[in-house]
Amino acid sequence: GQQVMQIPQYQHVQEGEDFTTYCNSSTTLSNIQWYKQRPGGHPVFLIQLVKSGEVKKQKRLTFQFGEAKKNSSLHITATQTTDVGTYFCAGLTSNDYKLSFGAGTTVTVRA
Amino acid sequence: DAGVTQSPTHLIKTRGQHVTLRCSPISGHKSVSWYQQVLGQGPQFIFQYYEKEERGRGNFPDRFSARQFPNYSSELNVNALLLGDSALYLCASTLDLNTEAFFGQGTRLTVV
Repeated sequence: GQQVMQIPQYQHVQEGEDFTTYCNSSTTLSNIQWYKQRPGGHPVFLIQLVKSGEVKKQKRLTFQFGEAKKNSSLHITATQTTDVGTYFCAGLTSNDYKLSFGAGTTVTVRA
Repeated sequence: DAGVTQSPTHLIKTRGQHVTLRCSPISGHKSVSWYQQVLGQGPQFIFQYYEKEERGRGNFPDRFSARQFPNYSSELNVNALLLGDSALYLCASTLDLNTEAFFGQGTRLTVV
């Protein structure tokens, strides 16, 4: 079945630094979504990418969808303490509607 | 406009018992999905319902079942509970089958 993998599992970042988290799917995706989950909270939708090679920005967050629609990345610039949480990518394939989540990248920030 | 609501928020059950979890989607959303999230892992897909029909099923045993009602609310039922069923159960509603998911706060199930 479809598998979605994320690296790294943990990201310890100095406040103000940049970092990138990566997502890879074993199958071609129709779209990929990113979610953020704060400790003790529930996943909150960030963005959806649909087109091959698509790039979207939300303030300090930049999301990319690979040309082959099998990988994606989230890049955060000038990390702030509000960025703490776990970031999940989740992929959908065109033949079913099972949103498959990666294991997430848990981000901690050193002030 | 209310978001996705789930009940109960916390639940403690004994092995072998059954449990029913409830979810009310965002008004206007026709699809509800259920996920199991074990600590330290991503949500695992259990079921998706759209217009009261099952449209997707994850790799969970037959002890897990669900249904969607005419008002689009949904129930997740788990029979013969095992210790390993202890997890956060999340409900998500979507406007359509492939749009962004809005999650409820979840039900924290502990099986002892």
